[in-house]
Amino acid sequence: NAGVTQTPKFQVLKTGQSMTLQCAQDMNHEYMSWYRQDPGMGLRLIHYSVGAGITDQGEVPNGYNVSRSTTEDFPLRLLSAAPSQTSVYFCASSYSTVYTEAFFGQGTRLTVV
Amino acid sequence: QQQVKQSPQSLIVQKGGISIINCAYENTAFDYFPWYQQFPGKGPALLIAIRPDVSEKKEGRFTISFNKSAKQFSLHIMDSQPGDSATYFCAAAGGTSYGKLTFGQGTILTVHP
Repeated sequence: NAGVTQTPKFQVLKTGQSMTLQCAQDMNHEYMSWYRQDPGMGLRLIHYSVGAGITDQGEVPNGYNVSRSTTEDFPLRLLSAAPSQTSVYFCASSYSTVYTEAFFGQGTRLTVV
Repeated sequence: QQQVKQSPQSLIVQKGGISIINCAYENTAFDYFPWYQQFPGKGPALLIAIRPDVSEKKEGRFTISFNKSAKQFSLHIMDSQPGDSATYFCAAAGGTSYGKLTFGQGTILTVHP
């Protein structure tokens, strides 16, 4: 049981480039989300999904796009990378939205130069 | 606007001592308060969680104390061990934000042997 798998683990982008961070879970969880972690700011929610075909914005959605075509996968797209998007990105999944544990992937460390 | 404020930012304790991390929240609709533990290079993992129908929850050496009237909750780690050295995040969810965890800024705990 792999849990939540994120790829790649590390990435360096040039300003203006686009890329997709991959996230897959094998726990049949309906709820998935993306967070970014920055020093001194904790984790902030970027986008989330309550099921296939349903997505919504979190606290810091600008510059990011998501889609959810299957229960298992929830990719995060950076449309035109900026240095301000240098961060560690975490994908998480949970069985439901109420009082349940969120399982996190191991993160993607992204540097935009 | 940080809806969950966490302190201290860093904490150093000796082996066997008590580690205390405090969090305060603003949104009175929050009714689920988990704590996550994160080791370097890993994603956060749920440590312990509480709902406001109880004032305290204990799991082994870890205890959450909850004060609803003050809108504060804290994590106590008894008999702290070097293996407890990690970053700890408090979080909150509830009301219209179920599933959308709002995290504190994080506390880096170092336990000296």
